[in-house]
Amino acid sequence: AQKVTQAQTEISVVEKEDVTLDCVYETRDTTYYLFWYKQPPSGELVFLIRRNSFDEQNEISGRYSWNFQKSTSSFNFTITASQVVDSAVYFCALSAGTSYGKLTFGQGTILTVHP
Amino acid sequence: NAGVMQNPRHLVRRRGQEARLRCSPMKGHSHVYWYRQLPEEGLKFMVYLQKENIIDESGMPKERFSAEFPKEGPSILRIQQVVRGDSAAYFCASSQPSGGGYGYTFGSGTRLTVV
Repeated sequence: AQKVTQAQTEISVVEKEDVTLDCVYETRDTTYYLFWYKQPPSGELVFLIRRNSFDEQNEISGRYSWNFQKSTSSFNFTITASQVVDSAVYFCALSAGTSYGKLTFGQGTILTVHP
Repeated sequence: NAGVMQNPRHLVRRRGQEARLRCSPMKGHSHVYWYRQLPEEGLKFMVYLQKENIIDESGMPKERFSAEFPKEGPSILRIQQVVRGDSAAYFCASSQPSGGGYGYTFGSGTRLTVV
């Protein structure tokens, strides 16, 4: 069975602070994909990144960066110099093995960035 | 190059009525997934379909819920005799075969309110 844990329910920061959102996953499959999605107050789901289990390179996209560590089964997400527009719910998700066709989501982390 | 189209965006039903949610996948995508997001919770997988075929319905409630993806037309999620607990956001996603490897595109969701 697959499981994704986002231990941080809510995080509150002041603009320009850096913030890291944690994601820990569980799967017995050796081939899997990890995702991050953003859900702003308007409600839609915005795709941020997909990473496969064979690629442990960290990735940076503007103010966003991701740290994938198979040794600790973690796929953490950092926002540098946060902005008010980053306020949203962020979901980590996993697609793996025999459950390949579906995503297992974490509970989400509510990020509030104050001006 | 339209993305995943869901309609209606908002749906209000009285207890006991039927709700029909529609999802047109992204062009070129042959796989459709439905997820439910209860208030202040993460997304939960419901069902995974290909054209005229249900691949995985392990997340579907045993009663009142059904889904189809006909040869022609959109995928339909049908909820019969709705109850207040069905009030949620229902998201549809589509992908090419083996979604994990190609990624998933989500629609904007249908917010169902049962009064």
